[in-house]
Amino acid sequence: AQKITQTQPGMFVQEKEAVTLDCTYDTSDQSYGLFWYKQPSSGEMIFLIYQGSYDEQNATEGRYSLNFQKARKSANLVISASQLGDSAMYFCAMREASKPTNFGNEKLTFGTGTRLTIIP
Amino acid sequence: KAGVTQTPRYLIKTRGQQVTLSCSPISGHRSVSWYQQTPGQGLQFLFEYFSETQRNKGNFPGRFSGRQFSNSRSEMNVSTLELGDSALYLCASTQRVGGTGEQYFGPGTRLTVT
Repeated sequence: AQKITQTQPGMFVQEKEAVTLDCTYDTSDQSYGLFWYKQPSSGEMIFLIYQGSYDEQNATEGRYSLNFQKARKSANLVISASQLGDSAMYFCAMREASKPTNFGNEKLTFGTGTRLTIIP
Repeated sequence: KAGVTQTPRYLIKTRGQQVTLSCSPISGHRSVSWYQQTPGQGLQFLFEYFSETQRNKGNFPGRFSGRQFSNSRSEMNVSTLELGDSALYLCASTQRVGGTGEQYFGPGTRLTVT
């Protein structure tokens, strides 16, 4: 069974500083996908970044990067130059295959989330 | 390209009633998954549909059901509502085969059962 662990329930970070949100995962599969989502108080889950288990390069999307350490089973999200609008819940999630197929593998297993607060 | 849409956004129902929630995926996305989010249990997978067929199901009672139409739109139904069904219900769509793997969520339907 897959499991995602986010050990930081809450974090406070000064505006413009970089922040790292921790995520470790447990799976016996060789093929899997890792996601990070942002959930503001409005409730919508906003896709941030994706990393497939076979991707050799760490994923980057603008100010977001994913520090993927496969041997340690960690997939930390790094936000550079934090902004007030970054204040939200952040969820790490795993899918059981690195790429979608026709075999019913879109189920995401989520961590408990980290509430990030950016201080002006 | 329009995002995932969910209707209604808010719903108040009474115990014992039933409810139907709707989700329209991103154009071209053929897979739709549903999740329940509560403060106590977090985000839990309900089910996944692709090509009008349920491909995967989470650990929820039979009161929770769903379907997908030929245009990929999906509905989920909860019968005999209980107070514990109060939650944010989220649906997500993905492109499936040929896509790069991202799953995109809708804004959710917030269901309150009184």
